[in-house]
Amino acid sequence: GDSVTQMEGPVTLSEEAFLTINCTYTATGYPSLFWYVQYPGEGLQLLLKATKADDKGSNKGFEATYRKETTSFHLEKGSVQVSDSAVYFCALSDYLSGGSYIPTFGRGTSLIVHP
Amino acid sequence: DAMVIQNPRYQVTQFGKPVTLSCSQTLNHNVMYWYQQKSSQAPKLLFHYYDKDFNNEADTPDNFQSRRPNTSFCFLDIRSPGLGDAAMYLCATGGNISPYNEQFFGPGTRLTVL
Repeated sequence: GDSVTQMEGPVTLSEEAFLTINCTYTATGYPSLFWYVQYPGEGLQLLLKATKADDKGSNKGFEATYRKETTSFHLEKGSVQVSDSAVYFCALSDYLSGGSYIPTFGRGTSLIVHP
Repeated sequence: DAMVIQNPRYQVTQFGKPVTLSCSQTLNHNVMYWYQQKSSQAPKLLFHYYDKDFNNEADTPDNFQSRRPNTSFCFLDIRSPGLGDAAMYLCATGGNISPYNEQFFGPGTRLTVL
């Protein structure tokens, strides 16, 4: 079945450092890929998405490119802020047989940014 | 603002005492989901509704039930909570059954079982 693998956390960075959070996936079809962010005590919210190969999703300085050849969707940001401290979830949605789909989430990567 | 609302935000119950968590949405979305999230883990889908059609995940325990009386509201009933059911419960909505559409999450209800 479909699966998402994220790098283990926590990732600890100083403010203004470069961020990469790795995400790879396995899927039987042609999935859409998502990054969600969860701030402490809150639900998940969409950060960015890409729906086909070579698409780049971007939002709030974060970027991720859908790489079909490497089955990856790594999250990057050039200069992190303390306010970016949160848990980041990579996810995919794919058609399953029967015409429905079930979203699949990775385990999440905690990011801690120090001043 | 259109949103997904969960009540209560924190729920404490006793072992074996039934509990109901509620979710409402102002997005008019067809699809509503319930997830269980334990610490440092991915959200685990329990079930989802497409309109009134109920879809149960194969490994969701019978202890968990759901009701969707109308488009706006969805309830999660835990008939006999055990200690292992202590978790964050997340409600989410989606516009359609489509892989292209993102989900919209509520803030979650943190359930404690004593």
